[in-house]
Amino acid sequence: DSGVTQTPKHLITATGQRVTLRCSPRSGDLSVYWYQQSLDQGLQFLIQYYNGEERAKGNILERFSAQQFPDLHSELNLSSLELGDSALYFCASSGRFSGELFFGEGSRLTVL
Amino acid sequence: ELKVEQNPLFLSMQEGKNYTIYCNYSTTSDRLYWYRQDPGKSLESLFVLLSNGAVKQEGRLMASLDTKARLSTLHITAAVHDLSATYFCAVPDMRFGAGTRLTVKP
Repeated sequence: DSGVTQTPKHLITATGQRVTLRCSPRSGDLSVYWYQQSLDQGLQFLIQYYNGEERAKGNILERFSAQQFPDLHSELNLSSLELGDSALYFCASSGRFSGELFFGEGSRLTVL
Repeated sequence: ELKVEQNPLFLSMQEGKNYTIYCNYSTTSDRLYWYRQDPGKSLESLFVLLSNGAVKQEGRLMASLDTKARLSTLHITAAVHDLSATYFCAVPDMRFGAGTRLTVKP
């Protein structure tokens, strides 16, 4: 158990809909990272937050947005969903000193 | 553009054999990370290499880092089936390589 909690574990929805994925980092970790993993794209970095502020942005679509709240949990919002958004979405938090990532179990999104 | 390149991307090997996975990166970095992912599962941290020349070993896996060459290696010794997984390297801004899918056959 990494200590990172993601919900929901599975989500099935239709094209055009909007979903929210939630992540609680390990106790004491200030950074949260979001990744998308699909079969043909590997592990794609989406966005990083540090203590409530956006720190880095990767290949995140404009239809996607994220935020980190004062209690350090984070949410990834995916809107106007397309079939190609079907993927496994991981959240991770990082240790303060080594920087290694601790991953949640992921949220598997299926868009029909 | 930052690049993290792993090779090979696919590796099928027999039990008992040795092999090395390579990770090249384009940024200057004094640290590198290796992760393992089992099919359908999350990623778990394997090694954290924090300086040039760092070498870490865990069981049949050994990782090393050469920051001057911007190269890290993950060496597998006497492979066993349980090592079958996908292995990723990553740099500090958390860009990942494409992963090396390792299959160890009896």
